[in-house]
Amino acid sequence: GAVVSQHPSRVICKSGTSVKIECRSLDFQATTMFWYRQFPKKSLMLMATSNEGSKATYEQGVEKDKFLINHASLTLSTLTVTSAHPEDSSFYICSARDIPDGDQYFGPGTRLLVL
Amino acid sequence: QKEVEQNSGPLSVPEGAIASLNCTYSDRVSQSFFWYRQYSGKSPELIMSIYSNGDKEDGRFTAQLNKASQYVSLLIRDSQPSDSATYLCASKTPGAGSYQLTFGKGTKLSVIP
Repeated sequence: GAVVSQHPSRVICKSGTSVKIECRSLDFQATTMFWYRQFPKKSLMLMATSNEGSKATYEQGVEKDKFLINHASLTLSTLTVTSAHPEDSSFYICSARDIPDGDQYFGPGTRLLVL
Repeated sequence: QKEVEQNSGPLSVPEGAIASLNCTYSDRVSQSFFWYRQYSGKSPELIMSIYSNGDKEDGRFTAQLNKASQYVSLLIRDSQPSDSATYLCASKTPGAGSYQLTFGKGTKLSVIP
């Protein structure tokens, strides 16, 4: 149980375009989803916390207008990287939990390369 | 500022030996701690969680927590080459909603056949 999927697993795009990444909880309802970013040889950095039906809470230094997060249902959250630039190239990972104090389950990640 | 510190390694151990991974945390409010394993190019996988002082064993893995010293460790007995990965320590800290995880930078473990 507790499976989280992400789509796409890998995406290459041109600078200036927007990219949407989907995160789905497959066998449970995720009241909260998290979006992380990981640069090579670095640890996971939390970008934002998303509660179903409400606006995401962004961590300091993360531009909410650049990284649009939508958590419209209990099984789906999306992250849209708008006007992507090469420095946005990274490994984006979502996680989800079903209850406020529950464990977080991670998706497989999406590798974004902006040319 | 909430921080979780780990030695980045690499930590090399021979196959069959015990691997010892250590982690310290700065936020005394943190009550729960987690060890994740991350293979290269993959997302983290939860191995162990620990909430109380002392040891918690699960198969070849033992997590140890000492809240007075703000120290968490993970022991891997009978290390296997398949254990070679980066191990991330995380603490549960209050955040948006209920809590969020603060991760250390990870310790890279290499188990030599």
